[in-house]
Amino acid sequence: DTEVTQTPKHLVMGMTNKKSLKCEQHMGHRAMYWYKQKAKKPPELMFVYSYEKLSINESVPSRFSPECPNSSLLNLHLHALQPEDSALYLCASSLSPRETEAFFGQGTRLTVV
Amino acid sequence: AQKITQTQPGMFVQEKEAVTLDCTYDTSDPSYGLFWYKQPSSGEMIFLIYQGSYDQQNATEGRYSLNFQKARKSANLVISASQLGDSAMYFCAMREMNTGFQKLVFGTGTRLLVSP
Repeated sequence: DTEVTQTPKHLVMGMTNKKSLKCEQHMGHRAMYWYKQKAKKPPELMFVYSYEKLSINESVPSRFSPECPNSSLLNLHLHALQPEDSALYLCASSLSPRETEAFFGQGTRLTVV
Repeated sequence: AQKITQTQPGMFVQEKEAVTLDCTYDTSDPSYGLFWYKQPSSGEMIFLIYQGSYDQQNATEGRYSLNFQKARKSANLVISASQLGDSAMYFCAMREMNTGFQKLVFGTGTRLLVSP
């Protein structure tokens, strides 16, 4: 099973809403990542979790709050987002946080209205 | 800082023909990794192939091969016998190590269209 599952696939939220994105993998991977991809642009790293600890935060605004409750699950909590936060949010995982390929989920297409 | 360059915004190929997607990179690290991902319109990033900087042989995975020319700092993807399902966005990426943790830095991508 080389699957990373993201839910929901699509999300429309208002600027005052609170929502969460969910990412799950059962490959025994110990590193998980959030990437943000704006339209017609490449993905850009937001956060890295290694062994359930936040290891890298790429200066992401606090309205994005990641959480890793266990080694299989990664959440991204959203609050008070702006329309410019509309993007495809991709979750990925890798066996280790150091030198292995990352497997990506299908992404959540987020629209902020 | 590392950098990935994909100079072809779009490429066209006829079904069953081979196509090469270009990727050049710039890094001062002696140890690095290069990846190719396929992104269909559904959004998922599909891992295709990986080349490590110390690998002696060019990587191959089925119809995909990576033409790795270390001195020229290029890592071109070759797709043989193109299929209609190969139509997608293709990203070249480099693994960058940040305080001991990896991150992928992506090029701007090449959109491949395979025609019947």
